[in-house]
Amino acid sequence: GAVVSQHPSRVICKSGTSVKIECRSLDFQATTMFWYRQFPKQSLMLMATSNEGSKATYEQGVEKDKFLINHASLTLSTLTVTSAHPEDSSFYICSARRQLLDYGYTFGSGTRLTVV
Amino acid sequence: GQQVMQIPQYQHVQEGEDFTTYCNSSTTLSNIQWYKQRPGGHPVFLIQLVKSGEVKKQKRLTFQFGEAKKNSSLHITATQTTDVGTYFCAPGSGGSNYKLTFGKGTLLTVNP
Repeated sequence: GAVVSQHPSRVICKSGTSVKIECRSLDFQATTMFWYRQFPKQSLMLMATSNEGSKATYEQGVEKDKFLINHASLTLSTLTVTSAHPEDSSFYICSARRQLLDYGYTFGSGTRLTVV
Repeated sequence: GQQVMQIPQYQHVQEGEDFTTYCNSSTTLSNIQWYKQRPGGHPVFLIQLVKSGEVKKQKRLTFQFGEAKKNSSLHITATQTTDVGTYFCAPGSGGSNYKLTFGKGTLLTVNP
């Protein structure tokens, strides 16, 4: 089946610094990837749609200048949390799908971000 | 994306009891997917339902799509401790790369 690799799995950073999270589709090409954020005991909230070769589409209320998304290749999308603050601490997770092969989306293992 | 209401929010059962979670939409859905997320893990795709009145089974799991394609359910027969996790429904609006949004999920805990 499809495999989506996400790194790092955990990161602790100081307030004001930036953190980059990578999401790779290992055995398929993904023109579209999705980024979610999940707070404890809550559902996954879609943050943005990452489109290869073009600008990401952000959901309402998500600051595009704070959450920079780059989808430079068909297998890699990155999410950079800029000038992180404690309220950005969350579980970030990406997903993608093998078009024409799969119905469901495959998720990365997620990144637990803690801002101190 | 489409909005759905998922109930119950929490369900605690004794091992061996049955469990059902419901997903309801005010609008007709193109399809619906179900995912399971174990504690500390990531969502894993379970199934997609497309046809009106569709019923699909995976071992002890039975998935249904309503006749009007506005509601869906997931039923687990004789729960086991391995069933613990949060079950999410995710309504689809069609298209090849539609945005996947999730219901609030139902957290199932199983007492051995």
